[in-house]
Amino acid sequence: DTGVSQNPRHKITKRGQNVTFRCDPISEHNRLYWYRQTLGQGPEFLTYFQNEAQLEKSRLLSDRFSAERPKGSFSTLEIQRTEQGDSAMYLCASSLAADRGSGYTFGSGTRLTVV
Amino acid sequence: DQQVKQNSPSLSVQEGRISILNCDYTNSMFDYFLWYKKYPAEGPTFLISISSIKDKNEDGRFTVFLNKSAKHLSLHIVPSQPGDSAVYFCAANGDDKIIFGKGTRLHILP
Repeated sequence: DTGVSQNPRHKITKRGQNVTFRCDPISEHNRLYWYRQTLGQGPEFLTYFQNEAQLEKSRLLSDRFSAERPKGSFSTLEIQRTEQGDSAMYLCASSLAADRGSGYTFGSGTRLTVV
Repeated sequence: DQQVKQNSPSLSVQEGRISILNCDYTNSMFDYFLWYKKYPAEGPTFLISISSIKDKNEDGRFTVFLNKSAKHLSLHIVPSQPGDSAVYFCAANGDDKIIFGKGTRLHILP
């Protein structure tokens, strides 16, 4: 297993455009998380899935954001009508639900720049 | 409302000495506390954790101490090495998600 994979690594988009990011978790992990990190801040929770069910969404996740995890495997995060404030590093992580002490395995992230 | 607080944005330590990174939390319901390390352009990497029922956990050069009465934990790195230069995030596991502090940038000086 190659760990958590995120694509693309970098994305530059014009304000108002839609963008979609993909995350491929560790295959045996049943939980998948999306976080956002801005400069000088720690990762902030956005949403998570257990298998294909989206169990929680942060209030940070406006209605322009949508995440899916069809078939409980890879996940996509879509941002519609991007705004400059959406510029950030978007991090995906995965874990086994029962293993609370081992933390999550993070991918390298997708850096979004909205111009 | 920040539930996990790292009050030192940066810390410089001489190579070979002990690095001590501190963290405070507010929520008594957290059951695990974790430390992550992050290099530029990479995602955070899990370093070490401690259960809320323990007061110390050690893994090689890394030791985490938990003081529940003070709602405080610390990460000790002994001896500090150049490769330890990175941003360290304190985090806590509660309500099925991990909550992170803002991080402390550790500089190991030659």
